[in-house]
Amino acid sequence: QSVLTQPPSVSAAPGQKVIISCSGSSSNIGNNYVSWYHQLPGTAPKLLIYENNKRPSGIPDRFSGSKSGTSATLGITGLQTGDEADYYCGAWDSSLSAWVFGGGTKLTVL
Amino acid sequence: QVQLVQSGAEVKKPGASVKVSCKASGYSFTGYYLHWVRQAPGQGLEWLGWINPNSGDTNSAQRFQGRVTMTRDTSISTAYMELSSLTSDDTAVYYCARAPATVAWFDPWGQGTLVSVSS
Repeated sequence: QSVLTQPPSVSAAPGQKVIISCSGSSSNIGNNYVSWYHQLPGTAPKLLIYENNKRPSGIPDRFSGSKSGTSATLGITGLQTGDEADYYCGAWDSSLSAWVFGGGTKLTVL
Repeated sequence: QVQLVQSGAEVKKPGASVKVSCKASGYSFTGYYLHWVRQAPGQGLEWLGWINPNSGDTNSAQRFQGRVTMTRDTSISTAYMELSSLTSDDTAVYYCARAPATVAWFDPWGQGTLVSVSS
């Protein structure tokens, strides 16, 4: 069982918006930065969001991140079929002295 | 461009050890941490630990302590992760990933190395 909690799956139609949640505790999300990754089938994870809400160069502004208390969210607008992937949140856990991840959310663009 | 290239797939028997390499290019090898993360088939991501290529200092997840060894060779900008006493539960894709600090984000990731453990 993952330390961070994500919904197993979300779905929406092309062009629509989806939000993926990530719930943790004060030892991880509550006091450390959250980062988000997406993973296409058979490929390595790729950074989408770092430090809660910052986008690396090359990531379109359709992707956004936010954090409030011990929860974080990833928002994706203008959904495209190419966005179908698994999405993971991650954060350092100060109590465990370890990186922890969510179990992953599979996004389906209907 | 910044790139991490890992060694090829491995097949091991239970009880054996495996050593995976991660060769960095396109940046200062000693200027960033390297983390190791694994993903069992159909499962999520699990962090194993990090190495500071500059000092050689390491830190690993408690559940892997005593079983994982992370080293580096700065002369060839390569990091290594060795996992011993393998069981079938260690069957997974192992990734290395660069990070600017121990608690910072991972970018980029290596392409992954499949380690299969089977008798």
